[in-house]
Amino acid sequence: GQQVMQIPQYQHVQEGEDFTTYCNSSTTLSNIQWYKQRPGGHPVFLIQLVKSGEVKKQKRLTFQFGEAKKNSSLHITATQTTDVGTYFCAGGGFQKLVFGTGTRLLVSP
Amino acid sequence: SQTIHQWPATLVQPVGSPLSLECTVEGTSNPNLYWYRQAAGRGLQLLFYSIGIGQISSEVPQNLSASRPQDRQFILSSKKLLLSDSGFYLCALNNYGYTFGSGTRLTVV
Repeated sequence: GQQVMQIPQYQHVQEGEDFTTYCNSSTTLSNIQWYKQRPGGHPVFLIQLVKSGEVKKQKRLTFQFGEAKKNSSLHITATQTTDVGTYFCAGGGFQKLVFGTGTRLLVSP
Repeated sequence: SQTIHQWPATLVQPVGSPLSLECTVEGTSNPNLYWYRQAAGRGLQLLFYSIGIGQISSEVPQNLSASRPQDRQFILSSKKLLLSDSGFYLCALNNYGYTFGSGTRLTVV
């Protein structure tokens, strides 16, 4: 079945440093979604990318969908302590999504 | 706006006891509904999804079952819990990104 892997599994940065998580699918995706889960909380939808090569920005967050629609990345510029959490990518059709393995981000002040 | 209600927030159950987790939705009709499970520090595993009343698709054969008796109600059940059923159970609906409920932390002892 479809598998979605993310790297790194875990990253610890100092506040102000940049952070990137990468998402790779074993199959071509119709779309890719990104979620953030704060410690102890539930995943919250951040964004969806649909087009090959698409880039979207949300303040300090930049999301990119690969040209082959099999990979994606999330880059955070100048991390803040509020960015702490686990970031998941998810891909698949309308009826169901396959979630990536997640990248846990820890930010030290 | 769409909201998902899940309860209870935490649950401790003995091995062999039954389980019933309920998820109800407001602000939408005929939603696609999902049950996910998240083991501690791990990713999200899709357990069941439903596209309508009485329609259940099982993703992982295991000790659990799901039912959708009403359009906005999705129930996760087990007749006899196992230790391996412990985890964070999340209900979600699909509407341009998934909206998750606040989840139930189940510990089987």
